Amino acid sequence: NAGVTQTPKFQVLKTGQSMTLQCAQDMNHNSMYWYRQDPGMGLRLIYYSASEGTTDKGEVPNGYNVSRLNKREFSLRLESAAPSQTSVYFCASSNSIGTGVLLINQPQHFGDGTRLSIL
Amino acid sequence: AQSVAQPEDQVNVAEGNPLTVKCTYSVSGNPYLFWYVQYPNRGLQFLLKYITGDNLVKGSYGFEAEFNKSQTSFHLKKPSALVSDSALYFCAVRGNTPLVFGKGTRLSVIA
Repeated sequence: NAGVTQTPKFQVLKTGQSMTLQCAQDMNHNSMYWYRQDPGMGLRLIYYSASEGTTDKGEVPNGYNVSRLNKREFSLRLESAAPSQTSVYFCASSNSIGTGVLLINQPQHFGDGTRLSIL
Repeated sequence: AQSVAQPEDQVNVAEGNPLTVKCTYSVSGNPYLFWYVQYPNRGLQFLLKYITGDNLVKGSYGFEAEFNKSQTSFHLKKPSALVSDSALYFCAVRGNTPLVFGKGTRLSVIA
């Protein structure tokens, strides 16, 4: 039962390098999310995809792009990495069942994160 | 815009004692509230949620939370803490956008 799988688990980049973080879920969930976690800041939403074929900006989208490749996969790209993007990145997914408030409030399932350091 | 405050960075409690982790929220419209737990080097795990109905919500691992609309609070509680409950706890609220998380409260349960 893999759930949400993120690759790689660790990465060190130099300033200006590009990088794509991969995320895949095997739960047939419609919605997927990318967060970053910084000490004392909690989790902040970068981008999300409510369903296959759609993406929307979250709280901190600058410097990132995303691709919802198919229902299973949602990737996050750093085009030109900056030290301020050093963080732990989490991918999550959630189901779309029920209607109304039940539909939009399904729990999110998280991967174990990618620890990214930018020098 | 919605927001969540967790006023305590750290909560220490002795094993067997009751624990409370505090959360207050601000949102326009109906509040949809969540608690998640994070163990070291792991992603967040869902504990419980309040959508509507009974103000006392029961969740995983013996945790419960009380929704108080007048105080805009959603405190997490457990009657008897275990050492294995030591972790980072996040409160979150959904408003017009996907979840907004608090900054987290580190719970340490001391044997």
